[in-house]
Parts: sequence; C-alpha cells; structure tokens
Amino acid sequence: AQKITQTQPGMFVQEKEAVTLDCTYDTSDPSYGLFWYKQPSSGEMIFLIYQGSYDQQNATEGRYSLNFQKARKSANLVISASQLGDSAMYFCAMREGNNAGNMLTFGGGTRLMVKP
Amino acid sequence: NAGVTQTPKFRVLKTGQSMTLLCAQDMNHEYMYWYRQDPGMGLRLIHYSVGEGTTAKGEVPDGYNVSRLKKQNFLLGLESAAPSQTSVYFCASRTDTYQPQHFGDGTRLSIL
Repeated sequence: AQKITQTQPGMFVQEKEAVTLDCTYDTSDPSYGLFWYKQPSSGEMIFLIYQGSYDQQNATEGRYSLNFQKARKSANLVISASQLGDSAMYFCAMREGNNAGNMLTFGGGTRLMVKP
Repeated sequence: NAGVTQTPKFRVLKTGQSMTLLCAQDMNHEYMYWYRQDPGMGLRLIHYSVGEGTTAKGEVPDGYNVSRLKKQNFLLGLESAAPSQTSVYFCASRTDTYQPQHFGDGTRLSIL
C-alpha cells in the first residue's frame, strides 16, 4: 500500500483565493512526522511546513497551514491568499519513528496552478 | 550561505559509462540522503548515511554505490550507466529527527 497518497495530480486556484492540497498517509507507528515541500519550475525543493504526530495544534507558517486530522490519517496543506508565485509542484512526505535513518517517503505530488 | 551543493548540475552520459555525483553540505549535518526524481513523480530514496563512514540502502539502490568518507560529503556513483537511470538526482541533509531535510538544487542526468 502507498504510504503517502496525493490524489490531486493537478489543481487550479484563482489568485487571492485559498486552496487545499490533500495528503493521506498510512503508518502503524505512533511517532511520525509529516512534511510539505514546494518544487517550483526551477526544480529546487523548498521546505514549507512540518507536523509531528504528537503535536496538539495544527502547524502554521505564514500563509501555509496544515489541517492535521490524525484519526483520518490526513495532513492537508492549506495555502491562503494564493499568489502567482505559488504555482509549483507540492509534495507531502512522511518520516516514521521506527525508521533508522529517519528517511522521508514522498507522495506523487500535486501541481498547483494559480490563475491571475 | 551555501547549504547543500550538488555538482555537476547537468550531465549527459553514454550507456556503460561511469560517473560520480558529489554532494557537499556545510551545516555539519549527520544525516545525508540521495534521491532520484523521475518525470511526474515524487522522490525515491536511493541510499542514505547516518554519519561519517556509514551508508545504507534506500528504496531503489540497485545500480548505485555511495561513500561518506568525510562528514560533509556524500558521493553517489554509477558504475555502468543505463538509460533507466536517466533522472534528476537530489541530495539532502538533516541534523536531527524533528528537523526538515535540506535539499540541493538537483543534478539532471541523461543517459543515452
């Protein structure tokens, strides 16, 4: 089974509107972390936000917030007030606690396109 | 403000040739990783290292070797390149469990 699933291959959003990018995960480890990365067309991987499995509150970083629903095993990224520069690929990734090297497992990504 | 530096940025090889990709980080990170990203897909882990002198296999290690002789450097080798290894390769490093991985800008490798 896929450990990280991103069901939206591509999405459009109007500039200045909010958008939610979906991510579901599968793990039996009680200790894990969830990460979101942005990959613009230039290719680099940019860290956006992190949520730990024991964190009581949803993570927020500026215009980015993470809608963490532990029982549903979902960690959706919410981008508020979309900007043209938000157009990029977005990857959800998970680190499992029993993972010796603390490796990340990535989802297949969602391409977000912001319309002016 | 270097962070994670990958060299080269682009390379074209012929089938059967060998080459080494270099990853250097100046953040004194213990953990280093090599990933590959195929078109339209997420990153897949090739090999990783939890410290100087250590290496371990990731999800897709076949056809690759790695070495971590110095803490700041993590080398990825292709002994006999194959067209299936055409990909973008990313190196990453991390300090501890709760910190994100910092990525290099990637190496675009084409094998003809």
